[in-house]
Amino acid sequence: GENVEQHPSTLSVQEGDSAVIKCTYSDSASNYFPWYKQELGKRPQLIIDIRSNVGEKKDQRIAVTLNKTAKHFSLHITETQPEDSAVYFCATLDSGYALNFGKGTSLLVTP
Amino acid sequence: DSGVTQTPKHLITATGQRVTLRCSPRSGDLSVYWYQQSLDQGLQFLIHYYNGEERAKGNILERFSAQQFPDLHSELNLSSLELGDSALYFCASSVAGVPGETLHFGNGTRLTVT
Repeated sequence: GENVEQHPSTLSVQEGDSAVIKCTYSDSASNYFPWYKQELGKRPQLIIDIRSNVGEKKDQRIAVTLNKTAKHFSLHITETQPEDSAVYFCATLDSGYALNFGKGTSLLVTP
Repeated sequence: DSGVTQTPKHLITATGQRVTLRCSPRSGDLSVYWYQQSLDQGLQFLIHYYNGEERAKGNILERFSAQQFPDLHSELNLSSLELGDSALYFCASSVAGVPGETLHFGNGTRLTVT
C-alpha cells in the first residue's frame, strides 16, 4: 500500500504556541488527505481533510497545507490549548479506497 | 458517539485460541473497515467490506478473516492467536465506501493475548 511517513513522532509545545506536523507520501495519484485526532483511550476522529485540487484549507485554529509536487502535506495548529494534546494521524487513500495512516504524532501542550 | 458499535470492549484470551470481534456500522452506512492499532505500528488497515462484499484487503494475516452480513454488521475472526496479535482493533464505517468519505470509528476492542 501507500507509504506515508509522519514527523515528528512526538511534539511538545507551550500553550499558545503553534504546532506543525508533516507527512510525506509516495503515490502521486493520491488525491485525498485527511487528519485524524485520537485522544488517550478514545477512537480516532476526523478533524480536517484536503483534496488534491486545493493547496490549503482552514478551520478555526487548524489548517492543512498540501504540496503535490513535493508530495507532502502538513497540519498546522495555532494558539494551542491543553485539550489539543492527543495523537494526530495523517492518512492517504490507496488504490483500494482504504485509508493508509501514518504512525502518528503524540502532541503534548503544556500550560 | 460515532454511532459505530463494537463488542466486546475488552477480550483476554490465550495463545492458540480463536476470537470473534463484532461491529455494527452507523445506521445507513454500507461500508465497513477494520483496522489494527498496536503501539509500534500505528493504525494498520486490515480489510474493507461494502454491502456484504469484500472490497479491499490490506495487511491482514491468513489467520484472520472477516465478513459482512446482510444486516450490514461485520465480524472479524482471529484464529491461532499469537502474543503479537495483542492490539486495539477498530471498526469504521462510511456511507458508500467511495474515496474521500469520512470514516466513523467505533470505540475499539482491546485484545490481549496471554
